[in-house]
This record gives sequence, C-alpha cells and structure tokens, in this order.
Amino acid sequence: GAVVSQHPSRVICKSGTSVKIECRSLDFQATTMFWYRQFPKQSLMLMATSNEGSKATYEQGVEKDKFLINHASLTLSTLTVTSAHPEDSSFYICSARSTSGGYEQYFGPGTRLTVT
Amino acid sequence: RKEVEQDPGPFNVPEGATVAFNCTYSNSASQSFFWYRQDCRKEPKLLMSVYSSGNEDGRFTAQLNRASQYISLLIRDSKLSDSATYLCVVSTSGGSYIPTFGRGTSLIVHP
Repeated sequence: GAVVSQHPSRVICKSGTSVKIECRSLDFQATTMFWYRQFPKQSLMLMATSNEGSKATYEQGVEKDKFLINHASLTLSTLTVTSAHPEDSSFYICSARSTSGGYEQYFGPGTRLTVT
Repeated sequence: RKEVEQDPGPFNVPEGATVAFNCTYSNSASQSFFWYRQDCRKEPKLLMSVYSSGNEDGRFTAQLNRASQYISLLIRDSKLSDSATYLCVVSTSGGSYIPTFGRGTSLIVHP
C-alpha cells in the first residue's frame, strides 16, 4: 500500500513554455501533499505544502506565480512550472501524507525536468 | 544552527559491519521522527518511523533521545544493498506537521 505516482517521469521543454507535473496517491487519501526540488548531490528542498481544497503554502524564496500548485482532490495535486527557464531544470518530487495513521510521507518517483 | 543536522559522511564500511548514524534536531516541540533511504537519482523511501520506545526492524534499529534531541539509526550486518543516503526527517506540531529533512548521510558498503 501507500503508493504515489508522478507523471511524467521525465520531460524536456523549451525556455518560456509551461510544464505540468501530476502527483497521485493511488491507494490512500492524502489531505496534504508536499512538493520538493532536488538538485544533483544536494538535499531535498521543500517548495510548498498543498492541502486539499485550499491554497498552497510556499516556502520562502519560492515564487507562487511561477510554481502553480493545485490540490483539487484527496488523491491528486499538480505542479505547473510556468515560463520555464534552464535554471528550473531539476528533479521534482512530490510526497503525500495519509489522512489516517501517522505522519509518514510517501514519495512519488520524481520528475526530471530539463529546460533547454 | 540548522534545524536537522546529520553527518554527511560518507561512511565507508565492509560487508557485515555495524554502522550507526545520528541526527540532531533543534526544535524541542518536534513530534514525529523518521528515517528514509534514498538511492542515487531515486525518490526517498520510508525506512522506519522512530518511536519514543525505540523500534527494530530486522537489521535496523532506531532510537529517539528527546532529552538530547537526537535520533539514531543502527544497521547491523551491513549488506552491499544498504549503500544509499539515509535521510533523517523531523516533523513539528502546529498546523500541517511540516517535515524537515536533514541533508542525509551517505553509506557505502564494500565487499
């Protein structure tokens, strides 16, 4: 149990375009989902916390107008990188926390974004 | 001082060795503690939750010391497949229990 999927797993896009990444909890409901970014050989950086039915809470330094987050249901959150730049190239990982049980997070497999 | 601190390593140990990692946290209001494992270019996977009474899962033992504000992970009889980065995660009460990750400790198990 506790499977989280992410789509796409890999995407290459041109500068200035927008990319949408989906995060789904497959076998549980998640009131809270988290979006992270990880650059090579660096630690995970929390970008935002997404609660179902409400606006996402962004970490300091993360532009909410550039990284649009929508958590429309208990099993789906999306991250849209708008007007992508090469410096946005990174590994984006989502995680979901179950509505029941402890506070464990279950991570999606990640999306590797390359902006050319 | 960082909220969650880990020795980045790498810890380079032979197969069969016992290795221990510590992780310190600064917020005394922290409520939930976890160890995750992350392989290169993969997502983190939950290894174990850490309870006040300590817990053991096979070769892995996790301990929590609230007084000194650290958690530990002990790996016995190391396997080559244990090579990975081990992430300490601490969640603090107040709202959404936002998790804070340590930078991770790299473990390399060699033959």
